[in-house]
Amino acid sequence: KAGVTQTPRYLIKTRGQQVTLSCSPISGHRSVSWYQQTPGQGLQFLFEYFSETQRNKGNFPGRFSGRQFSNSRSEMNVSTLELGDSALYLCASSLDRGLLNEQFFGPGTRLTVL
Amino acid sequence: DQQVKQNSPSLSVQEGRISILNCDYTNSMFDYFLWYKKYPAEGPTFLISISSIKDKNEDGRFTVFLNKSAKHLSLHIVPSQPGDSAVYFCAAILYNFNKFYFGSGTKLNVKP
Repeated sequence: KAGVTQTPRYLIKTRGQQVTLSCSPISGHRSVSWYQQTPGQGLQFLFEYFSETQRNKGNFPGRFSGRQFSNSRSEMNVSTLELGDSALYLCASSLDRGLLNEQFFGPGTRLTVL
Repeated sequence: DQQVKQNSPSLSVQEGRISILNCDYTNSMFDYFLWYKKYPAEGPTFLISISSIKDKNEDGRFTVFLNKSAKHLSLHIVPSQPGDSAVYFCAAILYNFNKFYFGSGTKLNVKP
């Protein structure tokens, strides 16, 4: 069974641009969550999608948004990029909601904002 | 405002000895705690968890201890192996609000 895949793996953008990251969950998994990892803050929860609806959201500004498609694939968008948005963005999937101890993480997308 | 803190950014241990990774939290309402392990260039993988109603959970070489009065949990790895070298994150969950919080991670190096 293929794991969680994220594309692209690496991305370089400049301030003010916008970016879209993609996540394909494990086949059959319906819940997708996004996280931001930075050296200073560690892992921070961004949002969770289930059945194409955002179910939960962390403390991030509205520049961070996402969506989920009918096949459970998810995209995350960051608009008006800031230098502080440079981070590793991780996506995780699970069969259903609430199974936080059964989440499987993808390898992440490394975003660098110049 | 970090609700889950891992105050040691790194830890170095000799192979065969015990590794103790610590985590402190501020919210006494957390229901569940988890530990994840992360290798470079890979996403975190779930390691072990503990419910707030317990004080110990064991899985092979890994044991997690929870001290609710001190709002402290720790992960013990015995015996430590070089393959355990990774970054370890602790996380805490608030089920009612379906929210959870991660610590900043501790990098464990197990020397052969």
